[in-house]
Amino acid sequence: SQQGEEDPQALSIQEGENATMNCSYKTSINNLQWYRQNSGRGLVHLILIRSNEREKHSGRLRVTLDTSKKSSSLLITASRAADTASYFCATPHYGGSQGNLIFGKGTKLSVKP
Amino acid sequence: DAGVTQSPTHLIKTRGQQVTLRCSPISGHKSVSWYQQVLGQGPQFIFQYYEKEERGRGNFPDRFSARQFPNYSSELNVNALLLGDSALYLCASRLEGTGASYEQYFGPGTRLTVT
Repeated sequence: SQQGEEDPQALSIQEGENATMNCSYKTSINNLQWYRQNSGRGLVHLILIRSNEREKHSGRLRVTLDTSKKSSSLLITASRAADTASYFCATPHYGGSQGNLIFGKGTKLSVKP
Repeated sequence: DAGVTQSPTHLIKTRGQQVTLRCSPISGHKSVSWYQQVLGQGPQFIFQYYEKEERGRGNFPDRFSARQFPNYSSELNVNALLLGDSALYLCASRLEGTGASYEQYFGPGTRLTVT
């Protein structure tokens, strides 16, 4: 079963607007990762946040983590048409190795020029 | 440096046939994981291999098997193909060890269609 669940399933915005995606998970984690996937191809790692961190920034990306609510959010600021992709959160399988990631169903982001 | 490579890119097979998918990790990465991604879903973990040994297995039937070679490349085999095996198969490599980052590096995937 999938641990992470992203919300919303789809999001359509105009260029320049901000996009916020949320993720919920079920078990204890030591880190949470966000990945991007373009057109059903390979995934690209965006950002990782550890369980002892509450917020992390990378360029136009901002990730928050609330371990008490078992939730995370990804904010993309000043979106561009090139940000159009599916975004997934992923957490290591509880009790498993870091090579075993559990992904949510993803948020499909469409940024219109 | 080359990223994770997978072959073939696309594959069409008939029900009941067998298929072998191949993956070469990033140089220096000894861990390889396989994922299945059905259309509209997130990737689902199948196997992880590290130093040629199976480190983890997802909830997949025994028709799925994998192995890792001394050069750390890996193969995923699926026997007795079913229509439901149609998916994008992703390989990811990771640098294991003390202080290694948790992130995984994914290949472009192999699109398998079973007819």
